[in-house]
Amino acid sequence: AQRVTQPEKLLSVFKGAPVELKCNYSYSGSPELFWYVQYSRQRLQLLLRHISRESIKGFTADLNKGETSFHLKKPFAQEEDSAMYYCALNGVTGANSKLTFGKGITLSVRP
Amino acid sequence: DTGVSQDPRHKITKRGQNVTFRCDPISEHNRLYWYRQTLGQGPEFLTYFQNEAQLEKSRLLSDRFSAERPKGSFSTLEIQRTEQGDSAMYLCASSPSGNNEQFFGPGTRLTVL
Repeated sequence: AQRVTQPEKLLSVFKGAPVELKCNYSYSGSPELFWYVQYSRQRLQLLLRHISRESIKGFTADLNKGETSFHLKKPFAQEEDSAMYYCALNGVTGANSKLTFGKGITLSVRP
Repeated sequence: DTGVSQDPRHKITKRGQNVTFRCDPISEHNRLYWYRQTLGQGPEFLTYFQNEAQLEKSRLLSDRFSAERPKGSFSTLEIQRTEQGDSAMYLCASSPSGNNEQFFGPGTRLTVL
């Protein structure tokens, strides 16, 4: 079974503060991890995925297989980062490529 | 707009009625997914198509739910004899073969009275 845990529902920070959104996963194989973001009144969209190892909008996430974590980080939060963030896992087995999502966390960046 | 589209965006129905939702994926994507999202939860997987073949169905998909993708392009999700517990946002996503990045539609919000 595959599971994604996002332990916090809300993170509120001031502009310029560092941000860390936590994500832990459970999966017996080699997962593919993603962070999706949903801005107000917009559709869910991919922020980043661990295999690309990119920094998108200043966000980074490193897959830690020992701790089974994929925390999302940004050194200096901006007001436009306020959104709902979901961690997701793709436990790829053959043709199966479904995503298992965490419950999400609301990031609120105050001016 | 060349993204994933869903129709209708909102549906209000009475308990016991049947409803059907449509999803049009990005044209070159051969994989199509349906998810359901309730308040305070992340999206939950319902079913997955590769071209016209339905390859996986979640246990969440009771026998009142049926999904089709007859020509490997658009897909429909039908819920028969709706119940109040079916009230949720129904999301469709698509991806190209060989790439697990899924592109989501805006969703259909179903309210069952």
